[in-house]
Amino acid sequence: KNEVEQSPQNLTAQEGEFITINCSYSVGISALHWLQQHPGGGIVSLFMLSSGKKKHGRLIATINIQEKHSSLHITASHPRDSAVYICAAFLPGNQFYFGTGTSLTVIP
Amino acid sequence: DTAVSQTPKYLVTQMGNDKSIKCEQNLGHDTMYWYKQDSKKFLKIMFSYNNKELIINETVPNRFSPKSPDKAHLNLHINSLELGDSAVYFCASSQDWPTYEQYFGPGTRLTVT
Repeated sequence: KNEVEQSPQNLTAQEGEFITINCSYSVGISALHWLQQHPGGGIVSLFMLSSGKKKHGRLIATINIQEKHSSLHITASHPRDSAVYICAAFLPGNQFYFGTGTSLTVIP
Repeated sequence: DTAVSQTPKYLVTQMGNDKSIKCEQNLGHDTMYWYKQDSKKFLKIMFSYNNKELIINETVPNRFSPKSPDKAHLNLHINSLELGDSAVYFCASSQDWPTYEQYFGPGTRLTVT
């Protein structure tokens, strides 16, 4: 069992739809990262969260420490948002675990 | 001005060879990382250095050895390459350890034949 679970594994949306990607983890964490991997392979860090909520443009990330759960929301989705979204949890003891990723396709 | 650069971008080599992948960051960051992404696109951390000191050393074969000559560089040396080492290797850096945003290099695709 992976320490970090993501859902859904694959997601197809129409342009303009509101998208939610979920990430759950099994133990207490120090921080959680959301990453975006473009179709060309490059990885970009979107957010680093240890509590609450962060917003950047059309992207919103939230984390609920008690429920051990984080969500990444994309408002007004666009085809250029098509990518793999990965959550990664930094755990006590210098452990760093990645989710399996959510492959998002936004159709025009 | 590339923030985190890796060389080479592609590396094709035969089993048993020794190879190195170089990583450099010009962000003035104190922490650098090496990650491996396998054929199923699953990412896993391999090593992390903070101020040239090893702080994460995951369970990887001891054929893999990181070398940090200074804070701006973290190289990955691999001895006696095996078919299973074929993957994409990403270098990353962050301002400090542990809870800071990471900046990733473009990746090095290693193919062992």
